[in-house]
Amino acid sequence: GAVVSQHPSWVICKSGTSVKIECRSLDFQATTMFWYRQFPKQSLMLMATSNEGSKATYEQGVEKDKFLINHASLTLSTLTVTSAHPEDSSFYICSARGAGQGFNSPLHFGNGTRLTVT
Amino acid sequence: AQTVTQSQPEMSVQEAETVTLSCTYDTSESDYYLFWYKQPPSRQMILVIRQEAYKQQNATENRFSVNFQKAAKSFSLKISDSQLGDAAMYFCAYRKSSAAGNMLTFGGGTRLMVKP
Repeated sequence: GAVVSQHPSWVICKSGTSVKIECRSLDFQATTMFWYRQFPKQSLMLMATSNEGSKATYEQGVEKDKFLINHASLTLSTLTVTSAHPEDSSFYICSARGAGQGFNSPLHFGNGTRLTVT
Repeated sequence: AQTVTQSQPEMSVQEAETVTLSCTYDTSESDYYLFWYKQPPSRQMILVIRQEAYKQQNATENRFSVNFQKAAKSFSLKISDSQLGDAAMYFCAYRKSSAAGNMLTFGGGTRLMVKP
């Protein structure tokens, strides 16, 4: 089956630094990537949608200058949390839709990244 | 905008028994997809079952089945013969049937506990 590899699985960083999270589609081409954030004991909230080669579309309330998304290739999308603060501590998870697959095709999830900002 | 509501923050079931998790949603679309995802402590999202809105027949996957009531916008999950490994967070999710806005919208989740 389609595999999405997400790295790192967990990261601890100091306040003010930047952290990059990668999602790679290993055996398919991901034209669309959805980035979600999940706070403890809460649901997954969509942060942004990225299409390969295009600028990401951010959900209301998500700062695009703080959460930089790059989807420059069909197998790699990255989320960079810039100038991280403790309130950015959360679980971040990506979900990919493959090229050539209809809009009803399955979405493939990465295993998530637990970010802790100290 | 679409919303998904899970009214049961926690549910408990005895091993080998049956439990039903509730989900309601709101949409103005006529064609869409509904899903139940399981999230164990590992936080991996696991697809449990999927339902196409245009299908009247309820989806089933082994011990998992749904009761899809389109007019009532209700989509409940029934787990039969519950097993200890079923303990997890369960999320109901909605997805539009269109190229735009094709993301999953999740409910708040239900934590299922299975008692031995």
